[in-house]
Amino acid sequence: DADVTQTPRNRITKTGKRIMLECSQTKGHDRMYWYRQDPGLGLRLIYYSFDVKDINKGEISDGYSVSRQAQAKFSLSLESAIPNQTALYFCATRAGQGFNEQFFGPGTRLTVL
Amino acid sequence: AQKVTQAQTEISVVEKEDVTLDCVYETRDTTYYLFWYKQPPSGELVFLIRRNSFDEQNEISGRYSWNFQKSTSSFNFTITASQVVDSAVYFCALSELYGGATNKLIFGTGTLLAVQP
Repeated sequence: DADVTQTPRNRITKTGKRIMLECSQTKGHDRMYWYRQDPGLGLRLIYYSFDVKDINKGEISDGYSVSRQAQAKFSLSLESAIPNQTALYFCATRAGQGFNEQFFGPGTRLTVL
Repeated sequence: AQKVTQAQTEISVVEKEDVTLDCVYETRDTTYYLFWYKQPPSGELVFLIRRNSFDEQNEISGRYSWNFQKSTSSFNFTITASQVVDSAVYFCALSELYGGATNKLIFGTGTLLAVQP
């Protein structure tokens, strides 16, 4: 089984709808991240969390919210989706302390019509 | 401010050719890490290598090699004898010790490598 899973893998929704993307990990890592990938822009950080009680905004958090339900679960919500939120979303985890690499989930392709 | 530049948007080579993917970074910190990730057509991100700012030794792993030069702020990636399975988008990323407590990754925009049979 994959260490970092994301659900759903693909989602098409309409403008104004609320949508939640979920991420679960079995790596036992305390740090979790949400990124979005847009063509030609690389990956940009939306939110990150160092533990259940620690949530922080990344560089492009407007229009998004997150919830860290447990050490292993980190959800990203779009309260009212808009078309420019159409992107590929990645969850990542990292073991705390130091410069360990981040491990990424398979991604969720979101289309907002 | 920290920044990662991958000037090559797309590269196309024929199988068995060698290819080098360029990565240039900017940082004011003396302690930082550099990473390369591979994103094959299936979409997942695969970690390839991590290198810290105090280790300028080149690294070789099979057909892959990395050349880190602090003097030119570059961390280039070479694939020797490329194969079709190497076709992917490759991302270079930077993580700083003092770039906030996040140790977040600053990604380049990626280089799409197409290896033709």
